[in-house]
Amino acid sequence: GIQVEQSPPDLILQEGANSTLRCNFSDSVNNLQWFHQNPWGQLINLFYIPSGTKQNGRLSATTVATERYSLLYISSSQTTDSGVYFCAVAAFKAAGNKLTFGGGTRVLVKP
Amino acid sequence: EPEVTQTPSHQVTQMGQEVILRCVPISNHLYFYWYRQILGQKVEFLVSFYNNEISEKSEIFDDQFSVERPDGSNFTLKIRSTKLEDSAMYFCASSDRQRGPYEQYFGPGTRLTVT
Repeated sequence: GIQVEQSPPDLILQEGANSTLRCNFSDSVNNLQWFHQNPWGQLINLFYIPSGTKQNGRLSATTVATERYSLLYISSSQTTDSGVYFCAVAAFKAAGNKLTFGGGTRVLVKP
Repeated sequence: EPEVTQTPSHQVTQMGQEVILRCVPISNHLYFYWYRQILGQKVEFLVSFYNNEISEKSEIFDDQFSVERPDGSNFTLKIRSTKLEDSAMYFCASSDRQRGPYEQYFGPGTRLTVT
C-alpha cells in the first residue's frame, strides 16, 4: 500500500517562530488532508489539499502532487499550536478511498 | 456548519464485553468510515461503508468487529468481545463521494478503555 512519511518527528519552537512540516507519499493520490490533534485527542481538519496551495490564517499548505509531497507552514507560532500534526492521503488506486496516515509531527511551542 | 458527532466520548468496559460505538455522519453524506488510534501511535483505517455494504476493510477489522447503519442517521461500530488491545480512540468519518477529489470529515472520537 501507499507509504506516508512525515518529518521531522518532533519539533520544538519558541513562540513567534515559523516552521515547515513535510509529508512525503509514495504514490499518486486523489486526497490529501492535514490534521491537528489537540490535547483531548480530537482530529481537527486543517486542510483538504490534494494539490495546490491554501492559506487559513497563520497556517498554509502546499501540495506538489507530481513530486509526491506536501508542506504545512506555521507562521508566528502560538502555544495553542502545540500538538501532533498528521498528514493523511488516499491513493488514487485505493478501492474504498481509505485514508493512510503518516506517523505525525509532534510540535511543542514554548512561551 | 455540519459536523460528524460521536457518542459516547469515553467508554470503559471489561474484557469480553460487547461495545457499540455510535456516530451520526453529516446528513447528505453517503460514505462512512471508521478509524482507530492506539495511544501514541498513528491513526489506522478500519473499514469503509457505502450503500449498506462494506467497501473495504483492513486486517484489523476481523470477525470481532461489525458495522451497521440501523437507520437513516446513525452509523455504528460493534466490537463483540473486547480485548485489552482494543483500547484506543475510535474515529468515525464521512464524505459525500468516494471517487475523484473529496474530503473526509472526522468526528471528535470515542476513547475506549478495556480493563
